[in-house]
Amino acid sequence: AQSVTQLGSHVSVSEGALVLLRCNYSSSVPPYLFWYVQYPNQGLQLLLKYTSAATLVKGINGFEAEFKKSETSFHLTKPSAHMSDAAEYFCAVSENTGNQFYFGTGTSLTVIP
Amino acid sequence: DAGITQSPRYKITETGRQVTLMCHQTWSHSYMFWYRQDLGHGLRLIYYSAAADITDKGEVPDGYVVSRSKTENFPLTLESATRSQTSVYFCATNGGWGTEAFFGQGTRLTVV
Repeated sequence: AQSVTQLGSHVSVSEGALVLLRCNYSSSVPPYLFWYVQYPNQGLQLLLKYTSAATLVKGINGFEAEFKKSETSFHLTKPSAHMSDAAEYFCAVSENTGNQFYFGTGTSLTVIP
Repeated sequence: DAGITQSPRYKITETGRQVTLMCHQTWSHSYMFWYRQDLGHGLRLIYYSAAADITDKGEVPDGYVVSRSKTENFPLTLESATRSQTSVYFCATNGGWGTEAFFGQGTRLTVV
């Protein structure tokens, strides 16, 4: 089974600062990779996904992520944090032997005004 | 409207009682999933279904039962609820491998 590691369960950034949320996966074969965002009392919404077409993936709300096979990483970034970015972020992988999604434990992003 | 809906949104039940959480999707997606979300654990897969009448266990299936007689519905039953099953439950669906999963709003279940 896949393993997804999100370093840092809580990340705080100042408004306007760079957002960097880390995700590493365990598969030796590049799977499909996803970032989801969860606002309080809501379900998960897709931010972006990697499907092997391009290593730099752009998503909604100014977020992007870069797939690095050599590092088995898929870190999420945003150049300038906005107050509305405060939420829980989850990295997920879908392995190539099935359609199961495996999630990291999540990173709570706080944006300081 | 098209989408995925879960009911109820909130549920309080007593230890030992049977409770069923409902999930309905309007896309006719083949795959459906049940996750539980707990602090420190992220989302863990309970059961999933590749099509009507096809279900399989996920990471944490003990104490849960699922069925899928129709493509659009995927109910999750706790046969005898325990306090350790207090959690937020999410249903999700997708159209197949490599496609994004769409999530319901979740059901917050408290077992007292």
